[in-house]
Amino acid sequence: EVQLVESGGGLVKPGGSLRLSCAASGFTFSSYSMNWVRQAPGKGLEWVSSISSSSSYIYYADSVKGRFTISRDNAKNSLYLQMNSLRAEDTAVYYCAREDQLPLDYWGQGTLVTVSS
Amino acid sequence: QSALTQPASVSGSPGQSITISCTGTSSDVGSYNLVSWYQQHPGKAPKLMIYEVSKRPSGVSNRFSGSKSGNTASLTISGLQAEDEADYYCCSYAGSSTVFGTGTKVTVL
Repeated sequence: EVQLVESGGGLVKPGGSLRLSCAASGFTFSSYSMNWVRQAPGKGLEWVSSISSSSSYIYYADSVKGRFTISRDNAKNSLYLQMNSLRAEDTAVYYCAREDQLPLDYWGQGTLVTVSS
Repeated sequence: QSALTQPASVSGSPGQSITISCTGTSSDVGSYNLVSWYQQHPGKAPKLMIYEVSKRPSGVSNRFSGSKSGNTASLTISGLQAEDEADYYCCSYAGSSTVFGTGTKVTVL
């Protein structure tokens, strides 16, 4: 069974940093691209970033470019999102999702990031 | 990277059919057959319902169908059931990024 479990969310002050993790199991992690998608409270889904299976291709939404860094460790079956210079508008539930040639076919349950003073 | 445009809400009675539109541009929906649809119940993670415009993942009811014409994709739910009440989001590949729709709340009357 495919499982994606996010962790690392919490309360952080504006300008602060946070590192999210996503532990994957139930599939060959190193064969799939992975994505981060976020959802602000009461709002819609927003794609954040994607990384190819070997980390060769990395893409970011304009809203996070230069502040967030996606990475992965295939040996540990883990996906990461380093978030720096956090802003109030980054407050959201962050989901990791497996990508199967674009459809995001499996999603984690999400981790809440709150940016507030 | 502007969001795809969806109607804010659509409603229907049990047994009826409803259609949700998803309008993009020639840079996303119009250029790629990589449109997918997601269902999200309150407090839950999104669930893939349709991919590559009209394909259904294993386990998804055949009451859900998708199509595309030009820059607009559509999701049709036939034989509406109470359990279909949820938020629905379209999604499209857009070159070096992915873009979601604004979301549609489906209400079963």
